[in-house]
Amino acid sequence: GESVGLHLPTLSVQEGDNSIINCAYSNSASDYFIWYKQESGKGPQFIIDIRSNMDKRQGQRVTVLLNKTVKHLSLQIAATQPGDSAVYFCAENIQGSNYKLTFGKGTLLTVNP
Amino acid sequence: EAQVTQNPRYLITVTGKKLTVTCSQNMNHEYMSWYRQDPGLGLRQIYYSMNVEVTDKGDVPEGYKVSRKEKRNFPLILESPSPNQTSLYFCASSPKGRTSGIHEQFFGPGTRLTVL
Repeated sequence: GESVGLHLPTLSVQEGDNSIINCAYSNSASDYFIWYKQESGKGPQFIIDIRSNMDKRQGQRVTVLLNKTVKHLSLQIAATQPGDSAVYFCAENIQGSNYKLTFGKGTLLTVNP
Repeated sequence: EAQVTQNPRYLITVTGKKLTVTCSQNMNHEYMSWYRQDPGLGLRQIYYSMNVEVTDKGDVPEGYKVSRKEKRNFPLILESPSPNQTSLYFCASSPKGRTSGIHEQFFGPGTRLTVL
């Protein structure tokens, strides 16, 4: 089965609130993690990535946190906007797996105005 | 514009009729991959290619073929499509870093295939 999973399949937030999307992984050899956003009818779009030698990485309004002790990854979106409504996927690369990304099943984020 | 393109975007066909979905990228990426996306199952890798003439199976390769004769193109071939191959297909490409290994994958817009 997939080693990358999500704690919540759906998340509903109010516009302006912060959103946190969680992801668990089970393979300690995973060395690269990435978050994608997929809007309806479109392909996945890169948001942010993080390598296993880091704990935190920030982008524009997004932060990814990596806790290798408990094998947990999270995506934080600050001041969530209606345009952030989408399905969010985490994916991992297992070291030595020839660049293969294993995707989680996704979390649907709905932003209420 | 840097992009991954797929054709066709939508296709309805019948069981057993050979089809090809094309994928092309203009970013000079070495790595290319095909995924299928099904409800409740997420994205699953079908085949990937590390470079020209180098291809390998992903998680769900049965019923599919690929080729990589040129760097920019990575067509997905269904020799004898069956209804269980009805799905949303995505092509992706990625650069290969010399020192930092894997990088993010850039996805195409998707091809929705229905096999009757």
